[in-house]
Formats: sequence, C-alpha cells, structure tokens
Amino acid sequence: EPEVTQTPSHQVTQMGQEVILRCVPISNHLYFYWYRQILGQKVEFLVSFYNNEISEKSEIFDDQFSVERPDGSNFTLKIRSTKLEDSAMYFCASSAPWTRNTEAFFGQGTRLTVV
Amino acid sequence: GIQVEQSPPDLILQEGANSTLRCNFSDSVNNLQWFHQNPWGQLINLFYIPSGTKQNGRLSATTVATERYSLLYISSSQTTDSGVYFCAAGGRNTDKLIFGTGTRLQVFP
Repeated sequence: EPEVTQTPSHQVTQMGQEVILRCVPISNHLYFYWYRQILGQKVEFLVSFYNNEISEKSEIFDDQFSVERPDGSNFTLKIRSTKLEDSAMYFCASSAPWTRNTEAFFGQGTRLTVV
Repeated sequence: GIQVEQSPPDLILQEGANSTLRCNFSDSVNNLQWFHQNPWGQLINLFYIPSGTKQNGRLSATTVATERYSLLYISSSQTTDSGVYFCAAGGRNTDKLIFGTGTRLQVFP
C-alpha cells in the first residue's frame, strides 16, 4: 500500500542551526502539507503546497520556515535558525489531485529536538 | 475558521467494552477524518468520512454533516486500541485540516 515516508525519524539539533526535514509523498498525489505537534498538544497546520507553490500557510509558518519540492519525489521543510520552541513532531502529508480537501495521508513523523 | 471539539478528553476502559467518541465542528466541512495516534506518535488513518457511515472491523464512524458532528465507535476494545484519537475537519476553499484536542483512550486487560 502506498505510504508517505519521512526522514529522519528523529533529529537533534542545536539552537540556531538549520534543519531540513524530508518527505516522499504518495506518488500520484499533488497536494502536500506539513503539520506539527508540540508534545502533549494537538496537531497544527503549517503549510500546504500545490503546483510548485505555497497554496496556504498558517501564522506559525513565518520567515524561518520554507518548503521546497526539489525533484519529482521529495518535499522538504527547512527551518533556517531553530529555536527551542521549534521542538515538536513534524508530520508530512499528501492528498490526491482531483479535488481539494480529499483524504490526507500522513507520514510517520520526524521528532525534532532543539537543544 | 472551523473549530473542532472532541469529547471526552480521557476514556478508561476494560478490554471488551464498547465506546463512543464524539467530534463537534463549527461549520460546514468538505473533509472529516479520524486518526489514531499510537504510542510511537504515528498518525494512523481510520476513516475519511465527511458524511454518512463507514465500518472497518471493530471500528465504525458516522458523520451527520447537517448537525455538525461525527462519532467514532469502538466495539470489543483491545489493549492495542490504546492511544489518542483525533478528528480533523477541513472546510470549503481551504487545504488545511483543523485537528481537535483528541480523546486519550486507555484499555486495560
């Protein structure tokens, strides 16, 4: 069964460092998303990406964040200068292309720890 | 934007019991999904159910879109059902899912 895969599963980084979280969405999907979940809290939307551009973003997704689809299979989230409060589980998701807001499938998550 | 509320926040069951989890949403939705977050933090898709009723084994879900709520039924619960159950709703003209705060289920043998 097709699935969304994320790497790494866990990353520890020092405050101020740049991190890149990687995702391989389901192959025929065209909508891609990043969400995050701070420990013990609910899952929050960060950004959606369609047709090689950001289609929607939340207030959390400030200038420290960027997304990219560098090739036909990968989708990345970059945090330029990490802060302690960026520590969270980051989820990538993708959904099918035929209409907006179809079922989203989530990856297993990357747990980011900023020290 | 859409507000999503889940109840109860915590649920403790003995193995074999049945349970009903509720999700209320504040506006019309084009997408309503139920997820199970396992102890490793993975979000497992349970149902995509913007309206109607679906069943998958011991789990079933019903969404009454006109009354803005969805229910997740777990029958004959097992210890492996433990974890947090989230519902998430997506409105019209938006890509994002808004998640509820979840129901934490603990099933004891």
